[in-house]
Amino acid sequence: QSALTQPPSASGSPGQSVTISCTGTSSDVGGYNYVSWYQQHPGKAPKLMISEVSKRPSGVPDRFSGSKSGNTASLTVSGLQAEDEADYFCSSYAGSNNYVFGTGTKVTVL
Amino acid sequence: EVQLVESGGGLVKPGGSLRLSCAASGFTFSNAWMTWVRQAPGKGLEWVGRIKSKTHGGTIDYAAPVKGRFTISRDDSKDTLYLQMNSLKTEDTAVYYCNTENRGSFDYWGQGTLVTVSS
Repeated sequence: QSALTQPPSASGSPGQSVTISCTGTSSDVGGYNYVSWYQQHPGKAPKLMISEVSKRPSGVPDRFSGSKSGNTASLTVSGLQAEDEADYFCSSYAGSNNYVFGTGTKVTVL
Repeated sequence: EVQLVESGGGLVKPGGSLRLSCAASGFTFSNAWMTWVRQAPGKGLEWVGRIKSKTHGGTIDYAAPVKGRFTISRDDSKDTLYLQMNSLKTEDTAVYYCNTENRGSFDYWGQGTLVTVSS
């Protein structure tokens, strides 16, 4: 199972928006609405930010939103804040009781 | 408050074995689908495997790289998840996280435990 493809890095100034892509295949991202996104600060455990493509868990700011088109999912962070600087990983159900994660994107707030 | 606390990590030689534990609290463990996810130093996340709740058959699934070497189990009387790792390889070096799985996402994470496989 190959990892989902994410850009290595993304950046934006405070208040701006940044969008991260997550590209898979019809066997994972394109085949199921079980795409999720995780934020990870250095030395910390990942935190769920988006589930089922676009659902925000309780406590996650509405600045975070998710979407999907075909085999590509996206995470948008609007109104960037300093604390949003972190690594972001996508994940998708890949069928046959298997999951695959993305390669990860480092978001820098300029 | 949901808490997941992993333990059992450490340094082990290639070919050796190690057993990780994950103590859960703050939710009904017996109803939860539980997973293990690992992260090699400086690398991305990798799904290791999952065990469903007994009411859903207790089915266990593994990622290809660990199938036949790793065994996931649970003790619902102790609210504890386990990962038995045998025939360890240097590429198994990683921080191992236990998680709850809910509708295709991993909603709660432990702090992780580091496993280092080196001679």
